[in-house]
Amino acid sequence: EAGVAQSPRYKIIEKRQSVAFWCNPISGHATLYWYQQILGQGPKLLIQFQNNGVVDDSQLPKDRFSAERLKGVDSTLKIQPAKLEDSAVYLCASSLELTSSYNEQFFGPGTRLTVL
Amino acid sequence: GDSVTQMEGPVTLSEEAFLTINCTYTATGYPSLFWYVQYPGEGLQLLLKATKADDKGSNKGFEATYRKETTSFHLEKGSVQVSDSAVYFCALIRYNFNKFYFGSGTKLNVKP
Repeated sequence: EAGVAQSPRYKIIEKRQSVAFWCNPISGHATLYWYQQILGQGPKLLIQFQNNGVVDDSQLPKDRFSAERLKGVDSTLKIQPAKLEDSAVYLCASSLELTSSYNEQFFGPGTRLTVL
Repeated sequence: GDSVTQMEGPVTLSEEAFLTINCTYTATGYPSLFWYVQYPGEGLQLLLKATKADDKGSNKGFEATYRKETTSFHLEKGSVQVSDSAVYFCALIRYNFNKFYFGSGTKLNVKP
């Protein structure tokens, strides 16, 4: 079974530029998550989708970050414009449909963003 | 709010040494507790979990026991190997919420 795919693996941009990350979850997984992992910290949830609907985006900086999952499969996360403090690894994870009991989240390898 | 605190690293051990990585949590209700491992250049992988008090999670020689009275979930391994070198994250999730709260991670270096 293929895992969660992410691209690119690395990205270097200058502040005020725009950047987009792509995630392809495990086939059949209805729930998709984007996390931000700043160096030396644990991952922090940015946004959670159930199919193509947003379940939780309370920690997404909506003035500069946006995410979509138009067909309920792939997802893109965009930053526009980027700031120095956005330098981090962006992790995508997926799980089976959101229910009242826990479904294991499977993580992709992440995209390492450096903002200069 | 919910949170996880784990010991700072890096932790450096010789091969076959005993490992303990401390983790304590704060949460309302009865969370499920997890240990994730992140090898260099890879995503997080679930190492073990426990869903209720006194449960013991185990995998690949690692163990952790859910201690409600001390709000702890310490990770242990009796004999570490060089291949165990990685960053270990403690995390919790509350029942009916699929939102993880992660600790800051503990880097483990195992020397031959």
